[in-house]
Amino acid sequence: DTAVSQTPKYLVTQMGNDKSIKCEQNLGHDTMYWYKQDSKKFLKIMFSYNNKELIINETVPNRFSPKSPDKAHLNLHINSLELGDSAVYFCASSPSGEDGSPLHFGNGTRLTVT
Amino acid sequence: SQKIEQNSEALNIQEGKTATLTCNYTNYSPAYLQWYRQDPGRGPVFLLLIRENEKEKRKERLKVTFDTTLKQSLFHITASQPADSATYLCALHGSSNTGKLIFGQGTTLQVKP
Repeated sequence: DTAVSQTPKYLVTQMGNDKSIKCEQNLGHDTMYWYKQDSKKFLKIMFSYNNKELIINETVPNRFSPKSPDKAHLNLHINSLELGDSAVYFCASSPSGEDGSPLHFGNGTRLTVT
Repeated sequence: SQKIEQNSEALNIQEGKTATLTCNYTNYSPAYLQWYRQDPGRGPVFLLLIRENEKEKRKERLKVTFDTTLKQSLFHITASQPADSATYLCALHGSSNTGKLIFGQGTTLQVKP
């Protein structure tokens, strides 16, 4: 009965590879997000989708491409992985994209690029 | 530039005492402020939300204050328990940043029995 689930939990890969992280929410929320948490624990927003439409796109390299096939899913594809991409990536959802809407997070995907 | 600061040093307290965590912000006029709890290897979990026109919010043993003059929020856990040990994150909504939450780096709380 997990609300926001993301797979895989761990991802170890070499520089230059392409990888994807999947996220699904069963809360019926309209808005989904990708956040990156670096080694200093800062959580930074990367993307936000509302009903499959991109509404927030922070200054993230073009190698990162989100895809939302429906409002319950938001996947993250990363091309040509670099060492600096190593981090924990969190998917989240909220009832709407409006201010004050609490976020429900998944348990993260720890990406290690060697 | 907009900045959110939480004490990066861990806070160690004795069980039963009140834990107080601080969140300061600059160059910002948040309409809302949220607090989250994060356990190791898990995603953040929402705890409380306070609006800019509210001074204080309570939920069971938790209390949050929001001082827009000082640009500060305080997060209190009364009668702390070892199970309260975790990292606590504050997050702000800008008044014009629809849906965009900006997080502080979190403060780790350790409650000793």
